[in-house]
Amino acid sequence: TQLLEQSPQFLSIQEGENLTVYCNSSSVFSSLQWYRQEPGEGPVLLVTVVTGGEVKKLKRLTFQFGDARKDSSLHITAAQPGDTGLYLCAGQNSGGSNYKLTFGKGTLLTVNP
Amino acid sequence: ETGVTQSPTHLIKTRGQQVTLRCSSQSGHNTVSWYQQALGQGPQFIFQYYREEENGRGNFPPRFSGLQFPNYSSELNVNALELDDSALYLCASSLVGGQTQYFGPGTRLLVL
Repeated sequence: TQLLEQSPQFLSIQEGENLTVYCNSSSVFSSLQWYRQEPGEGPVLLVTVVTGGEVKKLKRLTFQFGDARKDSSLHITAAQPGDTGLYLCAGQNSGGSNYKLTFGKGTLLTVNP
Repeated sequence: ETGVTQSPTHLIKTRGQQVTLRCSSQSGHNTVSWYQQALGQGPQFIFQYYREEENGRGNFPPRFSGLQFPNYSSELNVNALELDDSALYLCASSLVGGQTQYFGPGTRLLVL
C-alpha cells in the first residue's frame, strides 16, 4: 500500500511570512499533484509534477518534486490570508487504467492578517 | 462549460439506512471517480467508472456501489449505513487516461 505523509499537520502564521509544507511517500509515484481545499468545497488542483527534481512556480507558490520522485514540497512566499486552506498532496500512477489518486492527510494552513 | 456538480449538499441518515448520492460530470468527461473524506483526513479512493463499468476500486466493502449513466453522470449508493460512513463524499470527473481530475463540492453525509 502506497502512503503519503504530510507535515506539518497544522500551521498558523502571520501575513507576510514564508512557509514550507512537505509530502513524503513510502514509494515512487508517476506523478504528484498538489491541491488546495477550502471549507465546503472540493479540492482544486494547483500543480502536477512529473519529473524527478522538477520545480514549478505558480505566483508566490513554488513546488518541488524530489529527485527520487518520493517526496515533494510546497513553499509559499509572503503568505496572504487568501492562502488559508487545506493543502493536499496526491500521488498518481500511470500503470493500470484507473489513475486513482492517493492522498495525504493534508496540511491545514491559517494565515492571520 | 459547467463544472462537476453534486447533490444533495448535505444529508442526515440513521444507521442501517441506505443512501444515494449523485454527480454530474464536467462537460466532455467520460470517467468519474468517487472519494470519501472523513473529518481531518485526505480523500480516499472508493471506485472509478468508465463506460458505465467499474474501472478500479479502493478498499471499501461491497455495500458501497455505484452506477454511471450514458450521459456520464453517476451515483454512489451506500447500504446498511454505519456511523463511520459519516464523511464528505467527493466526485471527480476526468477524461479516460487523463491525469487531471476535477472535483465537485461534495456531499456531506452524517449518520446518526
